[in-house]
Amino acid sequence: EAGVVQSPRYKIIEKKQPVAFWCNPISGHNTLYWYLQNLGQGPELLIRYENEEAVDDSQLPKDRFSAERLKGVDSTLKIQPAELGDSAVYLCASSFDSYSTDTQYFGPGTRLTVL
Amino acid sequence: AQSVTQLDSQVPVFEEAPVELRCNYSSSVSVYLFWYVQYPNQGLQLLLKYLSGSTLVKGINGFEAEFNKSQTSFHLRKPSVHISDTAEYFCAVSGSSNTGKLIFGQGTTLQVKP
Repeated sequence: EAGVVQSPRYKIIEKKQPVAFWCNPISGHNTLYWYLQNLGQGPELLIRYENEEAVDDSQLPKDRFSAERLKGVDSTLKIQPAELGDSAVYLCASSFDSYSTDTQYFGPGTRLTVL
Repeated sequence: AQSVTQLDSQVPVFEEAPVELRCNYSSSVSVYLFWYVQYPNQGLQLLLKYLSGSTLVKGINGFEAEFNKSQTSFHLRKPSVHISDTAEYFCAVSGSSNTGKLIFGQGTTLQVKP
């Protein structure tokens, strides 16, 4: 079974430029999560999707961040414009459902460096 | 609100020695508890989880954890570590509200020395 796929794995951009990250969850998983992981910290939830609906985006900085999950499968997270403080690892995870008991499966992440 | 505190940022240990990684949580509702491991440049992988029942939970790679409700702790243990166990370990909590939201601790770096 293929795991959660993310691309690109690494991205270096200059500040004020736009950037996008892509995630393909495990087949059949209805719930998709985007997490932000700063250096030396645990992941923090940015947004959670149940199928194509964003059901928890309270931690997403909506002035510069946006996300979509068309057709309830893969998802894209965008930052425009990027700031120096956005340098971090962006993790995507998926689970079969959104119950608190469900195991979340994580992708390898995209490491963003903003210069 | 829920929170997780991992009491040690780094734990150095020699190969084949036992190890304990400490985790305390705070919550006003019933919780589910998780330990994840993150190897360099990889995503997080579930080691084990406590949902209910027996307070001693066994996971992959010889790890186990014990849920202690009175001390609000969920410490991770392994009786004999290997070099390959060198990684970052995260404790996480989710609540019984069924939102699927995980709250992670700051992580503990386990450094296994030969």
